[in-house]
Amino acid sequence: DAGITQSPRHKVTETGTPVTLRCHQTENHRYMYWYRQDPGHGLRLIHYSYGVKDTDKGEVSDGYSVSRSKTEDFLLTLESATSSQTSVYFCAISYPGQSNYGYTFGSGTRLTVV
Amino acid sequence: SQQGEEDPQALSIQEGENATMNCSYKTSINNLQWYRQNSGRGLVHLILIRSNEREKHSGRLRVTLDTSKKSSSLLITASRAADTASYFCATLRMDSSYKLIFGSGTRLLVRP
Repeated sequence: DAGITQSPRHKVTETGTPVTLRCHQTENHRYMYWYRQDPGHGLRLIHYSYGVKDTDKGEVSDGYSVSRSKTEDFLLTLESATSSQTSVYFCAISYPGQSNYGYTFGSGTRLTVV
Repeated sequence: SQQGEEDPQALSIQEGENATMNCSYKTSINNLQWYRQNSGRGLVHLILIRSNEREKHSGRLRVTLDTSKKSSSLLITASRAADTASYFCATLRMDSSYKLIFGSGTRLLVRP
């Protein structure tokens, strides 16, 4: 998707290891979000950010942390990966005047914890 | 907890037919949005309807919003095989947060 990229696209990791997913945007938007998508649950919000060093928890934040040291990058870290964190992770950005605009999503990172 | 719930969970129609998907939500909202997701891809924003609007059109899409019933519907007219995808409603709440909350989606199959 134009303006927002996620890396890596796929990752397999072992239980107990830390994992960091990266979301990079070129749109200079303040608001960024991390979601996870699992069958039967739709998308659930993990963490979000209003700006540099300004983050907050979403619905399913346990076991995850985030950092935003630059406007363009929003990192999601699984501190000690568990099998329940096997999922597809999506990053999204939104316009400052977001009450009238939708989100733009990245292409996702498929994470498998074995 | 999920804000929006779509109905039906899955829908199979013939090309050329209309597809209607429904969404219910629980709390007061600022706006409601619909997204499409093709298999293995990210979500694409389709249309947004604000809480003070009742109906909105975009091409073959028609969205209605009934805030008294806390429900919305998405109508795709003259469906095409390329419309095969999952469709999600999402709500932006009225509180001070700016979190978009998604439902679990409707899987639409349009048969050629």
